[in-house]
Amino acid sequence: EPEVTQTPSHQVTQMGQEVILRCVPISNHLYFYWYRQILGQKVEFLVSFYNNEISEKSEIFDDQFSVERPDGSNFTLKIRSTKLEDSAMYFCASSDQGPTDTQYFGPGTRLTVL
Amino acid sequence: KNEVEQSPQNLTAQEGEFITINCSYSVGISALHWLQQHPGGGIVSLFMLSSGKKKHGRLIATINIQEKHSSLHITASHPRDSAVYICALIQGAQKLVFGQGTRLTINP
Repeated sequence: EPEVTQTPSHQVTQMGQEVILRCVPISNHLYFYWYRQILGQKVEFLVSFYNNEISEKSEIFDDQFSVERPDGSNFTLKIRSTKLEDSAMYFCASSDQGPTDTQYFGPGTRLTVL
Repeated sequence: KNEVEQSPQNLTAQEGEFITINCSYSVGISALHWLQQHPGGGIVSLFMLSSGKKKHGRLIATINIQEKHSSLHITASHPRDSAVYICALIQGAQKLVFGQGTRLTINP
């Protein structure tokens, strides 16, 4: 069965450094999402992406964040200058027909900012 | 006030019991997702509902859009059902707003 993959599974970085989290969505899906979950807290929406542009973003998704689909398979989340409070699990998801369709989640990348 | 409230926050039951998890929300929505988060952290979509009721195996989800309420039921619960169950609203064009989750523990 097709699945969403994410790399790395765990990323440790120093405050102020740039990180890129990578996702490979399911190949025929058109809608892509990033979510984060701070330890012990609820999952939060960051951004949705369709047709090579951001379709919606949350107030969390400020200028420090960017997303890109650099080729036909990868979907990346970049954090330009990481802060301690960016430490969280980051989940990528994809769907075929948008938010009213089943979303398939990747296993997550745990980001630790020291 | 949270837009999405789930109850209970924690639920412990014995194997075989019928489980109900509730989700109430305060905003207009087009649809709602029920998700399962495994102890290891992975998230699986269970249902997407815009009206009525859906059933998949031992899981049943219902929604009442007028009353702004949805329920997830598990029949003949099993220890492998132990997980966090999350209600998430679809807001706007493509944004999901998540509830805090209900931690379910099924004891053998």
